[in-house]
Amino acid sequence: GAVVSQHPSRVICKSGTSVKIECRSLDFQATTMFWYRQFPKQSLMLMATSNEGSKATYEQGVEKDKFLINHASLTLSTLTVTSAHPEDSSFYICSAINPRSGGAKNIQYFGAGTRLSVL
Amino acid sequence: AQKITQTQPGMFVQEKEAVTLDCTYDTSDQSYGLFWYKQPSSGEMIFLIYQGSYDEQNATEGRYSLNFQKARKSANLVISASQLGDSAMYFCAMREREYGNKLVFGAGTILRVKS
Repeated sequence: GAVVSQHPSRVICKSGTSVKIECRSLDFQATTMFWYRQFPKQSLMLMATSNEGSKATYEQGVEKDKFLINHASLTLSTLTVTSAHPEDSSFYICSAINPRSGGAKNIQYFGAGTRLSVL
Repeated sequence: AQKITQTQPGMFVQEKEAVTLDCTYDTSDQSYGLFWYKQPSSGEMIFLIYQGSYDEQNATEGRYSLNFQKARKSANLVISASQLGDSAMYFCAMREREYGNKLVFGAGTILRVKS
């Protein structure tokens, strides 16, 4: 079964509103989670690394004030798209490293993703 | 330069046949990990197989095996006995020790299994 849960799976919102996406590790504690963005028929692009109890680390070109990340507990990270606009419409997907994945593998397990449509 | 290159945008395979999906990578790091993920049309990313740079044996997980050729910097995924449910997008990814646990993904290969 899924080890990382992501909600909502789909959201449609009006331009200018904010949208929060949750990512939970279900049976393990994740000190580090990752947020990716995927455009249609393209690969995943890392947006930021979410660290429990500290500030997220954003990739170059990603607006930290636009994409707010909070990792308040060892099992939950949230991504808030603030003042969303149509160009923010995309597929957002999170991942978490399962510390029990064995040795140095540090395998990232992914949520099911959130499809955001901004009208 | 691309870190991960997947040269096959799309592949077809007959059901029950084997198929190889290509992946080459570029790194100067001595310690790295290579991953393959499957993404069905539903969008979820499913972990398939992992190969560490120091692993001497090719990784295998059920019907999936990784043909790791370190000198050529290739990490091809082999799927044996293809099933209709294998139709999906497949991504190769790399983690370099220099960059911690970040993954860099290739462009992906769409696999279609024909009955």
